[in-house]
This record gives sequence, structure tokens and C-alpha cells, in this order.
Amino acid sequence: DTEVTQTPKHLVMGMTNKKSLKCEQHMGHRAMYWYKQKAKKPPELMFVYSYEKLSINESVPSRFSPECPNSSLLNLHLHALQPEDSALYLCASSLGSSYNSPLHFGNGTRLTVT
Amino acid sequence: GIQVEQSPPDLILQEGANSTLRCNFSDSVNNLQWFHQNPWGQLINLFYIPSGTKQNGRLSATTVATERYSLLYISSSQTTDSGVYFCAATYGQNFVFGPGTRLSVLP
Repeated sequence: DTEVTQTPKHLVMGMTNKKSLKCEQHMGHRAMYWYKQKAKKPPELMFVYSYEKLSINESVPSRFSPECPNSSLLNLHLHALQPEDSALYLCASSLGSSYNSPLHFGNGTRLTVT
Repeated sequence: GIQVEQSPPDLILQEGANSTLRCNFSDSVNNLQWFHQNPWGQLINLFYIPSGTKQNGRLSATTVATERYSLLYISSSQTTDSGVYFCAATYGQNFVFGPGTRLSVLP
């Protein structure tokens, strides 16, 4: 079983909806990540939180809004998405920075935008 | 930024066969990981291996950081080994993923 928990597992939403993806870890990790993965492609980084502060935003459109309420939780708020945003959204965590600790992934949320 | 390449892109094996997957990276890295993504999309951490050799059951990995490559060995393959194998190397605070090797193990 993965130690990074993502909910929901599947989400179907319309272009006018507002929804949130949730990620939780209790391993004491201080860095948390959101990745987006399209079919037959590798994961692509969206955001990095380090010690609860946003440290990387890979030019992600503002319709995706991350939030890190505390060191164990990471949310991704979705609003006015487009059909091309349909993808697998993966959350990950690491003990410290990417320089010296491995990345642990959750099972992902499969998002479909209609 | 760093470039990560993997070969072969696709691999079909008969159950019981051995295989070697390769990951090349364009710059020196502090961290390298191998992942297996199963058909349900789960990304499973196989090895965290910035350098040296590690073994876990039928799988082993070797990273030669000075020559900028890493190898993943799968011995006595099983149908449950099917999926996509990714290597990922650090660049700044980002893990850059290679394009993956898609492995199919036939019974």
C-alpha cells in the first residue's frame, strides 16, 4: 500500500465546475509535489511545496491552484478546466529536497473534464 | 535543463527471460530513481540509486554517475513485471523523468 494517499481516485467534472484534489502523507516528509501525466507520457512537474511554501510553479495555468494547509496535506483546486486538462494527477512527497531523498508517489486521481 | 533518455522504448519478453533497461542523463545528478508504473497507473518506487549497485529480489540497478547512465536489470521476468519503467533524475528541485520503457511480459 502506498503511504501517500490521494482522493478521489476518479473525478469527472464539467468545464464550469470547481473541484479539489487532495493528497495526504504521514511520513514526516517536508516536500510535496503535484505532477500531471497524459496517456503514454512521463509525469510532468506542476508544483513543488517545500516546508509548506510554494517553491516551484512550472508555468501552470491559473485554473490550477495549489494549497498546502500543513506539512501533511496538499490540495489542488480546479476551476474552469478544459477538456485537454484530462489526465492522471499524481501527488508525491520526499523527506527533504530532491537532492538527497527519494520521491514517493500516491496512486493518483484520474480526471476527466467534459 | 537536464535531458533524460531511456532505451529501448518498447520491449516484449517471454516469461522467464532476462532484460536490461538503460537510462542516460545529460548532466551530473544528485539523485536518480527507477519507477515501475503498472497498468493501473500506480508509480512504484523501485530504486533510489544516485551511484553504485543495489539489488531487490529479481531486480537490480547500477548507476555509474561519472559516465551518466543507469541500468535496471530484470531477471526471470513475470507477467506482473509488465508496465512502464521510468528513470528520473534531479534537476534543481525537479525530478525529470525519462520517456519510459514499455515492457510486456507474455505468458
